[in-house]
Amino acid sequence: AQSVTQLDSHVSVSEGTPVLLRCNYSSSYSPSLFWYVQHPNKGLQLLLKYTSAATLVKGINGFEAEFKKSETSFHLTKPSAHMSDAAEYFCVVSAANTGNQFYFGTGTSLTVIP
Amino acid sequence: GAGVSQSPSNKVTEKGKDVELRCDPISGHTALYWYRQSLGQGLEFLIYFQGNSAPDKSGLPSDRFSAERTGGSVSTLTIQRTQQEDSAVYLCASSLGPDSTYEQYFGPGTRLTVT
Repeated sequence: AQSVTQLDSHVSVSEGTPVLLRCNYSSSYSPSLFWYVQHPNKGLQLLLKYTSAATLVKGINGFEAEFKKSETSFHLTKPSAHMSDAAEYFCVVSAANTGNQFYFGTGTSLTVIP
Repeated sequence: GAGVSQSPSNKVTEKGKDVELRCDPISGHTALYWYRQSLGQGLEFLIYFQGNSAPDKSGLPSDRFSAERTGGSVSTLTIQRTQQEDSAVYLCASSLGPDSTYEQYFGPGTRLTVT
């Protein structure tokens, strides 16, 4: 079975400081992992994905995530938060044994304080 | 290029009425998904179409929900005898195929309000 746990429902950071959004996954098979962002009243946009290649994945807007199998984690980071980063972030897992069904976390709401 | 489109963007209906929500996937994408996003919740999987295979309906919450995909392209999600708990944003997504490494591309959603 596949599942995702986002450890923080809400994160608040000051502009210019680092961002860390935590995600742990559970998967019976080699997983593919994704981070999506949803800005208010906007659709979901892919930030980055891991699919068994390099464990450190770089995405759009300066975000990156590291796949750590030993810790079953896929945390999202950014060195310096920008006001435009304020949004809802979803960690997602899929696996070969479930076709392409996505399993979403419950989301982390990121607030950026000026 | 064109992304996933959904219509209508907003729908207000009275309890007990039927509604139809439409999704146009990205051209060439063989996989199509419907999800439901309730306020403050993550995305709940509803149904998955892949090519001409029988759809995976395992996420449909009740027999009031059904979906079809005509010609391997456009999909319609139908909710019969709507209830207030059906109020949510309904999202459609498409991907190139059933490979778990393929990302899904999401439409803007249809916000359904049942009064």
